[in-house]
Amino acid sequence: QVQLQQSGAELVKPGSSVKISCKASGYTFTSYDMHWIKQQPGNGLEWIGWIYPGNGNTKYNQKFNGKATLTADKSSSTAYMQLSSLTSEDSAVYFCARWRYGYNYFDYWGQGVMVTVSS
Amino acid sequence: DVVMTQTPVSLSVSLGGQVSISCRSSQSLVHNNGNTYLSWYLQKPGQSPQLLIYKVSDRFSGFSDRFSGSGSGTDFTLKISRVEPDDLGVYYCGQGTQYPPTFGAGTKLELK
Repeated sequence: QVQLQQSGAELVKPGSSVKISCKASGYTFTSYDMHWIKQQPGNGLEWIGWIYPGNGNTKYNQKFNGKATLTADKSSSTAYMQLSSLTSEDSAVYFCARWRYGYNYFDYWGQGVMVTVSS
Repeated sequence: DVVMTQTPVSLSVSLGGQVSISCRSSQSLVHNNGNTYLSWYLQKPGQSPQLLIYKVSDRFSGFSDRFSGSGSGTDFTLKISRVEPDDLGVYYCGQGTQYPPTFGAGTKLELK
């Protein structure tokens, strides 16, 4: 069965960077876009961007240009998101989610990673 | 970006009851190919969102016919009948017609 297993919670200092992971299993990793979504309490769900692991192509929400960098490792079926120059506004839960092209929905989600930015 | 507006913000329901959640988009969600990519997701407490309905009215695997979606263009509705305890959580509508994908702010379903 399809599973997206994300890395653990992070407590990081303002100004630093963090890299979180999303390990996929149960399907062909290189055949589906992997998206990243931010959730803050009271702020709903906000799309960050996607990566196509098959060729490394990426697309970002303009708001996250320069903030988020998406990569993927085909050998380990793992997608990564690095967040840089962290501020308190980046404290949130971050989900990876598989996109089903042609149906245009997120059919499987990781369990989420809570990132807390605090000194 | 397409703005998705959900109402109400929260709903109280008795077990066995029926509820409706409304979702309105700022632009038509009819794609150039004729499909309408409006989905509903349920986020149970402490969990990630899970796909419930896609393309307005198609139920994702594992969800009963107590859940039904309807609508067209810019106005959509999710109905839940015979509410069960496992239905409680936050419901989000989301659109995949235009980039970037966007979501409503959510409707919290609670027990009365």
